[in-house]
Amino acid sequence: GNSVTQMEGPVTLSEEAFLTINCTYTATGYPSLFWYVQYPGEGLQLLLKATKADDKGSNKGFEATYRKETTSFHLEKGSVQVSDSAVYFCALDPRGYSTLTFGKGTMLLVSP
Amino acid sequence: AAGVIQSPRHLIKEKRETATLKCYPIPRHDTVYWYQQGPGQDPQFLISFYEKMQSDKGSIPDRFSAQQFSDYHSELNMSSLELGDSALYFCASSFVGGSSYEQYFGPGTRLTVT
Repeated sequence: GNSVTQMEGPVTLSEEAFLTINCTYTATGYPSLFWYVQYPGEGLQLLLKATKADDKGSNKGFEATYRKETTSFHLEKGSVQVSDSAVYFCALDPRGYSTLTFGKGTMLLVSP
Repeated sequence: AAGVIQSPRHLIKEKRETATLKCYPIPRHDTVYWYQQGPGQDPQFLISFYEKMQSDKGSIPDRFSAQQFSDYHSELNMSSLELGDSALYFCASSFVGGSSYEQYFGPGTRLTVT
């Protein structure tokens, strides 16, 4: 079946530090991959996506590259801010138009 | 831009009661998905509808049912509520008929069963 594995949190960083949150997936075929962010008490917001191998999704300084050879979609940001503190979910859509399978989420805490 | 609307935002029910959650998708979106997120957990897919027909089914209990209406809004009906049903319920919508299928999530309904 389809599954997503994320690094466990919390990830604790100081402001302006470099961020990496690892995400690997298992799926048949060519899934679409997503990163969603959930701020405290709020819903899920789409952060970025990639629909095919070697695609790079980017938004608000965050980037992730779809690596089919390593089945990975790691999230990176060069300089985090306190306002980036949230839970980040990696997700896949196996057919590109169907239901999402989420990872367990990684909490990011950024201190000033 | 218009977003997905869910109502109510918060709901408190007692065991064995029923609850109805409503979802209003983004205008012109043709697909609605329901997810359940337990405390500290990842969202789990429950059920989806495309053009008012059930399109996919996940881990939805038999006590739950859902439908999508002619105006594309959807309702999740939950009966014989149990303590374990306490969770955040998200609705998401997408436009499958277009070239981009990403799902846009509503703010969620927080259901507390006491």
